[in-house]
Amino acid sequence: QQPVQSPQAVILREGEDAVINCSSSKALYSVHWYRQKHGEAPVFLMILLKGGEQKGHEKISASFNEKKQQSSLYLTASQLSYSGTYFCGTGGLGGGSNYKLTFGKGTLLTVNP
Amino acid sequence: KAGVTQTPRYLIKTRGQQVTLSCSPISGHRSVSWYQQTPGQGLQFLFEYFSETQRNKGNFPGRFSGRQFSNSRSEMNVSTLELGDSALYLCASSLTGNTEAFFGQGTRLTVV
Repeated sequence: QQPVQSPQAVILREGEDAVINCSSSKALYSVHWYRQKHGEAPVFLMILLKGGEQKGHEKISASFNEKKQQSSLYLTASQLSYSGTYFCGTGGLGGGSNYKLTFGKGTLLTVNP
Repeated sequence: KAGVTQTPRYLIKTRGQQVTLSCSPISGHRSVSWYQQTPGQGLQFLFEYFSETQRNKGNFPGRFSGRQFSNSRSEMNVSTLELGDSALYLCASSLTGNTEAFFGQGTRLTVV
C-alpha cells in the first residue's frame, strides 16, 4: 500500500519553514526520505528506523512515529536549493518486506526568492 | 567513487518488442532495486536483488523480470512491450537493502 504524502505541493519564500508528512496504513520498519530535482535522480536525505531517534542534519530533520505509522520531514529556513519533489519511502516489517521500499507520490516544494 | 550507472540512457522500442536495461551499482553494494517512475504514479517498486537472489518484488506483471550477477550488476527485462510501459526506469544500489540508497540517472523508455 502506497504511503500518503501531504501536502501535494507547497510554495515557500526563501527563509520560510515547511513540514511534509508521510502516512502509512501498514506497520513500518523504516522511513526513507529523498529529494528529486527536475531531470535528476532522487537523492537520499535520511533514513529513520523503528526504535531509532529523530534524524537531522543542518536545517532538514525528520521524525518517525511508529505507533501512528507516520513520518514528518521538517525544512527550516528554506533555501532556493531546497526546491524539488520530496518522496518518502516506507519499508515494512519482516518477511523481506523491509527490503521493498514503497514510495509516496511526492510533494513538490518550490522555494521562491 | 563511481556512482550508479544505468545503460542505455534512452530507448525507443515498438510495441511487442522486448528490452533489457542494465544497472552497475556502486562498488561494494550488494543490493540493487529497480523502480518505474511515471508522472501519474510516482516511483513504483519493481524488485530488489541481493547477492544474486530476488528478495522482494512489486505488483508488476510477469513480463517484467530481472536478475543479478555475481559482480552485483543487475539487468531488468521487459518482454512484449506495451505503450503503458513507457517510463523512466531507475535503479538504486545500497549496501544491504535497507540503508542509504543511491539512484542512477535512469533509462528513459519510450514505447511507440
